[in-house]
Amino acid sequence: GAGVSQSPRYKVAKRGQDVALRCDPISGHVSLFWYQQALGQGPEFLTYFQNEAQLDKSGLPSDRFFAERPEGSVSTLKIQRTQQEDSAVYLCASSPWTLRNTGELFFGEGSRLTVL
Amino acid sequence: DQQVKQNSPSLSVQEGRISILNCDYTNSMFDYFLWYKKYPAEGPTFLISISSIKDKNEDGRFTVFLNKSAKHLSLHIVPSQPGDSAVYFCAASMDSNYQLIWGAGTKLIIKP
Repeated sequence: GAGVSQSPRYKVAKRGQDVALRCDPISGHVSLFWYQQALGQGPEFLTYFQNEAQLDKSGLPSDRFFAERPEGSVSTLKIQRTQQEDSAVYLCASSPWTLRNTGELFFGEGSRLTVL
Repeated sequence: DQQVKQNSPSLSVQEGRISILNCDYTNSMFDYFLWYKKYPAEGPTFLISISSIKDKNEDGRFTVFLNKSAKHLSLHIVPSQPGDSAVYFCAASMDSNYQLIWGAGTKLIIKP
């Protein structure tokens, strides 16, 4: 389809395992965001890419979280040594704009991570 | 410290009537506000936005009102339809960074 695609949709990990979540943004979209959404809460910002450059990673909760977008299209969010508090839905969003406050983000369906 | 608050976890409205969803914020630096709608197992989809230089923005059945002095915005849906049943999120941003700050959402149920 033409929308933002995320995989896997569901991931169960044992505490201490590493996980990788993939995001395929809409083709040509310059901006890419990762958000974390805990149950019953709104999404919380993790990181922002403009093309391949990671311009803001202030929302990453610890150094166990790492994101990359090496060719300015597909992005991967990696979580090392997962903890139970990492259980959440991880949302990827893209947009064709680079300016702030210029409109909507297009979200994927999310990757639901459960850490046992 | 929640900068964007949606104090009603849920709201039930009769089909055809007006739905009013409310959102309060604390950071006076916010200058752009958005509403997103989310169905179960889907990502949020953009609904409507408003810049702080305006106090009202309308798009079809959806109108957003902004009261800067009260740090309050509301989303009006008229008339409400069954397909409007979803969780509605209010989000805010400021020109100095790329982040959207989100409320916890309000679940809207439209009764037939």
